[in-house]
Amino acid sequence: QSALTQPASVSGSPGQSITISCTASTSDIGGHNYFSWYQQHPGKAPRLMIYDVSHRPSGVSNRFSGSKSGNTASLTISGLQAEDEADYYCSSYTRSSTLVFGGGTKLTVL
Amino acid sequence: QVTLKESGPALVKPTQTLTLTCTFSGFSLSASGMRVSWIRQPPGKALEWLARIDWDDDKFYSTSLKTRLTISKDTSKNQVVLIMTNMDPVDTGTYYCARTLVGATVDYWGQGTLVTVSS
Repeated sequence: QSALTQPASVSGSPGQSITISCTASTSDIGGHNYFSWYQQHPGKAPRLMIYDVSHRPSGVSNRFSGSKSGNTASLTISGLQAEDEADYYCSSYTRSSTLVFGGGTKLTVL
Repeated sequence: QVTLKESGPALVKPTQTLTLTCTFSGFSLSASGMRVSWIRQPPGKALEWLARIDWDDDKFYSTSLKTRLTISKDTSKNQVVLIMTNMDPVDTGTYYCARTLVGATVDYWGQGTLVTVSS
């Protein structure tokens, strides 16, 4: 069981907004702003979508946004598009200077 | 342009030792703040962080695997090597190397290399 808990799946229709949560089991993992989100299409390497809770790398659509409340980080995708269908993973830095990933969430665009 | 590429055997036998090499370009691992991580993904399963080496040669390992892992770097060759001992079929998966920045930011990933553990 991962120290970061994500829903196994979420779904939404084109144009809608969805939110994926990522809850840390302890404050050792959740008590800072070093959360990232990755998108992974089948057979491809993950792609960084959000870092430090809410920052978007260059080239990532502003339809993707991140936030955090307590030990839970969230990724919101607005204006869903077919190309957003993928697996999404959160990750967090730990107090022991390691990284941990969530179990992943499969996003289905209906 | 930052690129990373993993290389190593596609097939290893149980109990054998796996050696993977990450060859990168577009950044220097001797530059302050630069890090390289290894991350793996069993077929159909989630990502799992394995190890990281920093610009100052600090090394960090997954708690569950640290007795089996060794990470090292050759700055002159722009390479990072991961050694995993006592391989088991459950270690089958795609192994990625990736540039890692401060915190949890893994900003560039290699294409991954599939390693199968089978007799």
